[in-house]
Amino acid sequence: EDKVVQSPLSLVVHEGDTVTLNCSYEVTNFRSLLWYKQEKKAPTFLFMLTSSGIEKKSGRLSSILDKKELSSILNITATQTGDSAIYLCAVSTSGTYKYIFGTGTRLKVLA
Amino acid sequence: NAGVTQTPKFRVLKTGQSMTLLCAQDMNHEYMYWYRQDPGMGLRLIHYSVGEGTTAKGEVPDGYNVSRLKKQNFLLGLESAAPSQTSVYFCASTTWRDRASNQPQHFGDGTRLSIL
Repeated sequence: EDKVVQSPLSLVVHEGDTVTLNCSYEVTNFRSLLWYKQEKKAPTFLFMLTSSGIEKKSGRLSSILDKKELSSILNITATQTGDSAIYLCAVSTSGTYKYIFGTGTRLKVLA
Repeated sequence: NAGVTQTPKFRVLKTGQSMTLLCAQDMNHEYMYWYRQDPGMGLRLIHYSVGEGTTAKGEVPDGYNVSRLKKQNFLLGLESAAPSQTSVYFCASTTWRDRASNQPQHFGDGTRLSIL
């Protein structure tokens, strides 16, 4: 059975700290790994990582895919209170049109 | 450009009542999905559709039905609501242009459903 696991489940840090969120997966025919940020409503897309694009960066956020370890990390440097959210990891597989989501990591950044 | 729109945003039902949640997208996406989100459970796939007139079961389909009569709309129905169906429901859509490409999903703002 395909599975995506995120850790930690929750995290509390202070502004300015650097955080690393983890996502590991066990799936058949991996296609891509996606990171989303969810504040109060809809998840919003952050990054998509594939075999041809294993590193992505946008401002203070960056993500790396490790295909050997079947995992990915999402780094946030110099955290701000606006980074407080649930961060979701999802994996898509070839041959299906589905995305398997992890349980998410709830990040709280204190001022 | 509205993206993905869900109606209603909030609803309270009594056990045994029925209702339909509507999802509409204006991006001409082929693929549409219904998820439920419960505390500590992430997003779990209920049903999905790969095109007009087609639907398929996801991870937690029991107690739900869906229809995709028009490409832009995906309906989720609860025939006889149960307290275990209290949740936040999200609709998403995407396009998979070919085997080599992959696109992220676009999500609606969710429907908060409480069943008493």
